[in-house]
Amino acid sequence: QQQVKQSPQSLIVQKGGISIINCAYENTAFDYFPWYQQFPGKGPALLIAIRPDVSEKKEGRFTISFNKSAKQFSLHIMDSQPGDSATYFCAASKYSGAGSYQLTFGKGTKLSVIP
Amino acid sequence: DTGVSQDPRHKITKRGQNVTFRCDPISEHNRLYWYRQTLGQGPEFLTYFQNEAQLEKSRLLSDRFSAERPKGSFSTLEIQRTEQGDSAMYLCASTDRENTQYFGPGTRLTVL
Repeated sequence: QQQVKQSPQSLIVQKGGISIINCAYENTAFDYFPWYQQFPGKGPALLIAIRPDVSEKKEGRFTISFNKSAKQFSLHIMDSQPGDSATYFCAASKYSGAGSYQLTFGKGTKLSVIP
Repeated sequence: DTGVSQDPRHKITKRGQNVTFRCDPISEHNRLYWYRQTLGQGPEFLTYFQNEAQLEKSRLLSDRFSAERPKGSFSTLEIQRTEQGDSAMYLCASTDRENTQYFGPGTRLTVL
């Protein structure tokens, strides 16, 4: 059972446009929701994260919107640039004991920003 | 560079061989995770260490896999009798006090 569902699988956006990636989760025990950016051949890099006590968080061109009742959250990339072309993963974590907060990832969205 | 480092970056091996990967976390981080990422998928949790203690293991971690963190600093992940299904990117992450996970560049394993 996939605990974090991510859509779309791929996304093409024109330079300057808004990129929107959506995620939904099942487990209400999740309490931390990060987004990671991954370039080919590299490890995932944390982009922005949110906890369920807030509905929105903005850092530069990146915004997370969080809807606790719907168990959904999304990433908005404003003024998308060709350098944003990468694979984006949403994730969720909960405390699983002994100090562990393992992440459960979505399947990823490959974003291509075209000039 | 004070980030998480992994070695080797690429490993090609024949089926049935043993392989070992190393992860050096960020120096002040005492918690460390291993994940596996197959093509077109997100990373999947394998195992967790707090200092030298391995405290959590995923069902994905078959008995052919073993991980250690002998002095609470670097960690190793060994796969014995490799199979083609083991081909993947193996990622290591360490966490700060706020539980933010910082990933290394990964080791890409190809089993022929």
